Amino acid sequence: GQQVMQIPQYQHVQEGEDFTTYCNSSTTLSNIQWYKQRPGGHPVFLIQLVKSGEVKKQKRLTFQFGEAKKNSSLHITATQTTDVGTYFCAGPKLGSSNTGKLIFGQGTTLQVKP
Amino acid sequence: SQTIHQWPATLVQPVGSPLSLECTVEGTSNPNLYWYRQAAGRGLQLLFYSVGIGQISSEVPQNLSASRPQDRQFILSSKKLLLSDSGFYLCAWTTGWYTEAFFGQGTRLTVV
Repeated sequence: GQQVMQIPQYQHVQEGEDFTTYCNSSTTLSNIQWYKQRPGGHPVFLIQLVKSGEVKKQKRLTFQFGEAKKNSSLHITATQTTDVGTYFCAGPKLGSSNTGKLIFGQGTTLQVKP
Repeated sequence: SQTIHQWPATLVQPVGSPLSLECTVEGTSNPNLYWYRQAAGRGLQLLFYSVGIGQISSEVPQNLSASRPQDRQFILSSKKLLLSDSGFYLCAWTTGWYTEAFFGQGTRLTVV
């Protein structure tokens, strides 16, 4: 079946270090979304990528969608303690046009040591 | 602006007891509504989705059911809870495809 995989599952960094999480889909995606979930909180939408090879930036966060639209990455430059949380990628479920159903990766949990 | 309300925030229920979790959306009409479950340290699993009143689709076989009695109300239910029903339940809405999902605060359910 359709799968979205994320690596690594956990990442511990020193504040100021960079961080990257990778997302790989078993199928070509029409778009990919990224969410952040703070500890004890709910997922919050960060960004959506639609075009092949697309790169978007939000301050210290850089999101990339692969040329084949089967992988994506989130890179955080100079992490801060406010970056702590779990980052999820999600893509549309196959055969789910106009329903908004999403398949989520398992998430990458980021810990930042001050 | 649109908001989503989900309650209760925390629930501890004995095995075999019934369950009712409610979610309401404000500030939009005819949203797509979803129930997700998140096991501890895991990703989100889609349980149910609804594109309109009375229209419910189940994504995985389980001990739960969902209902949508009003356009902006989505209810997750169970007649008899199992230990395996424990988890973090999240309600979400979208306006359709290619749009982001907005999540409620979630209900942390512990079945004991």
